[in-house]
Amino acid sequence: DVKVTQSSRYLVKRTGEKVFLECVQDMDHENMFWYRQDPGLGLRLIYFSYDVKMKEKGDIPEGYSVSREKKERFSLILESASTNQTSMYLCASSFRHHYGYTFGSGTRLTVV
Amino acid sequence: KNEVEQSPQNLTAQEGEFITINCSYSVGISALHWLQQHPGGGIVSLFMLSSGKKKHGRLIATINIQEKHSSLHITASHPRDSAVYICAVTGNQFYFGTGTSLTVIP
Repeated sequence: DVKVTQSSRYLVKRTGEKVFLECVQDMDHENMFWYRQDPGLGLRLIYFSYDVKMKEKGDIPEGYSVSREKKERFSLILESASTNQTSMYLCASSFRHHYGYTFGSGTRLTVV
Repeated sequence: KNEVEQSPQNLTAQEGEFITINCSYSVGISALHWLQQHPGGGIVSLFMLSSGKKKHGRLIATINIQEKHSSLHITASHPRDSAVYICAVTGNQFYFGTGTSLTVIP
């Protein structure tokens, strides 16, 4: 089975800190995605990547950046964390576009 | 803008009941996904479909491309089915519904 691993399950950071959320998949998937999930708003796409060193903005990229230096790893970076970035962050991967998704177990980030 | 609409938002059922969750979308798609998220847990992909019907155990997913509508059915519901069910579509972009929270009472 494909596995998508997110480095932390729970994270508490202070306002203004630089935060790194790591995601690793083990099945050579081309596509990787970062979402945030908030009550009443559902899943919203932050950034996605179709290939190494390639990135595309999703619906809500402001305040975030990403890095994909290796195919298996897709990092989400909060340059200067703010309280409105408190959320559940979910990473996902898929073999190609139009294929099924595999999700990580999520990182619940609290910014205080 | 809500490219994907799900109904109902919340659903409570007695164990054994037949459950239907609906999803309507307004964009052109190549595939529709049904996802399941247990409380505090990650998300599991249940189905991906682009036409017709798929069945896995007690779960059945159908899609009507012309009507831009999909349904997820759960037969003989069980408390372990309690979760949030999310409809998502892939086309030029990725769109998610806000989810249906299902609680099955013993």
